[in-house]
Amino acid sequence: QVQLQESGPGLVKPSQTLSLTCTVSGGSISSGGYHWTWIRQHPGKGLEWIGYIYNSGTRSTSYNPSLKSRVTISVDTSKSQFSLKLNSVTAADTAVYYCARWGGQYYGMDVWGQGTTVTVSS
Amino acid sequence: EIVMTQSPATLAVSPGERVTLSCRASQSISRNLAWYQQKPGQAPRFLIYGASTRATGIPARFSGSGSGTEFTLTISSLQSEDFAVYYCQQYDNWPPLTFGGGTKVEIK
Repeated sequence: QVQLQESGPGLVKPSQTLSLTCTVSGGSISSGGYHWTWIRQHPGKGLEWIGYIYNSGTRSTSYNPSLKSRVTISVDTSKSQFSLKLNSVTAADTAVYYCARWGGQYYGMDVWGQGTTVTVSS
Repeated sequence: EIVMTQSPATLAVSPGERVTLSCRASQSISRNLAWYQQKPGQAPRFLIYGASTRATGIPARFSGSGSGTEFTLTISSLQSEDFAVYYCQQYDNWPPLTFGGGTKVEIK
């Protein structure tokens, strides 16, 4: 079955760029109809959707308006990976970051990575 | 933005009891709602979509209902492994996709 695994630095300095990668295994990242998604969870808090890339045709993206000016999600089909870049980070970006697969409207996020903790600190 | 509100924030329940969790949307979302379970230190687990359809492998003791703005997740007989935080999420209108604040089900 499809599995997702996040990777990237656990510590990022303020004002720098947070970069994470999610590797998809056990299935094709090019499978139609899936939105490859990033979600984060601040310590002790709920879930916040960051955005997704829809890896079909135009590779469209959608971002949370609250983060849109700082976020870029991209995909590398050859490596079966999708990535998150969040620039100009502050301590408020400290969180556990999850990648997930969303089946699109009429479905939920059915596959999740284990999550990776990112701390923003000097 | 559609705001999802869950209640109560915490629920203390004994094993074997029936549990009902509520989720309210700030505007109608039809039946475009999913539920997730999250245990400490783990990623969320997909439970239900379309407000009432169980995801693959989810036990029948989990059931969802509702449409429009009011939704419920019911666990018919709480098992020890069900103590967790439960989140609802709407996928009717985005961006952004939004989650409720969660309901923690703890042991009484």
